[in-house]
Amino acid sequence: GAVVSQHPSWVICKSGTSVKIECRSLDFQATTMFWYRQFPKQSLMLMATSNEGSKATYEQGVEKDKFLINHASLTLSTLTVTSAHPEDSSFYICSASSSDRGNSPLHFGNGTRLTVT
Amino acid sequence: GQNIDQPTEMTATEGAIVQINCTYQTSGFNGLFWYQQHAGEAPTFLSYNVLDGLEEKGRFSSFLSRSKGYSYLLLKELQMKDSASYLCAVKDSNYQLIWGAGTKLIIKP
Repeated sequence: GAVVSQHPSWVICKSGTSVKIECRSLDFQATTMFWYRQFPKQSLMLMATSNEGSKATYEQGVEKDKFLINHASLTLSTLTVTSAHPEDSSFYICSASSSDRGNSPLHFGNGTRLTVT
Repeated sequence: GQNIDQPTEMTATEGAIVQINCTYQTSGFNGLFWYQQHAGEAPTFLSYNVLDGLEEKGRFSSFLSRSKGYSYLLLKELQMKDSASYLCAVKDSNYQLIWGAGTKLIIKP
């Protein structure tokens, strides 16, 4: 149980275009989902917390107008990278917890490798 | 500030045992997680500790000492497929996950 599906797994786009990444919880409802970014050989960096039915909470230094997050339902959150630039090339990973209990682990999607040319 | 420290890289031999340490200083504590991440893939959950002591799960065990702000992940009977990064993460008083930078484990035949 507790499967998180992320799509697409990889995408190549031209500079200036926008890319949408979908994150779905397949067998549980997630009121909160998390979006991470990971550069090569570095640790996970939390970008934002996506809350169903309300605005996302962004971490310091993350531009909310560039990384648009929409949590339209209890099973779907999307991250749109707008006007992408080569420096946005990274591994983007979403995650969710199946419970609000403290011992409930985060379950991760398989990640999306974005390459901006 | 909040901080989690773990070694950057470790090397071990197939069939041996390796211990990966993690120390933390966080505002509050609501549990410690270990995740495994293979190159180019997303992390997968390995273990959770909230009380002091050892939690064993097959070849993997995780230990916690809250008074020392210390945990370790013990991997026994190492296999080549265990080559991966191992991430330590702590939930603080606000239930926010604080991540360590990860330990890259290299297994040699």
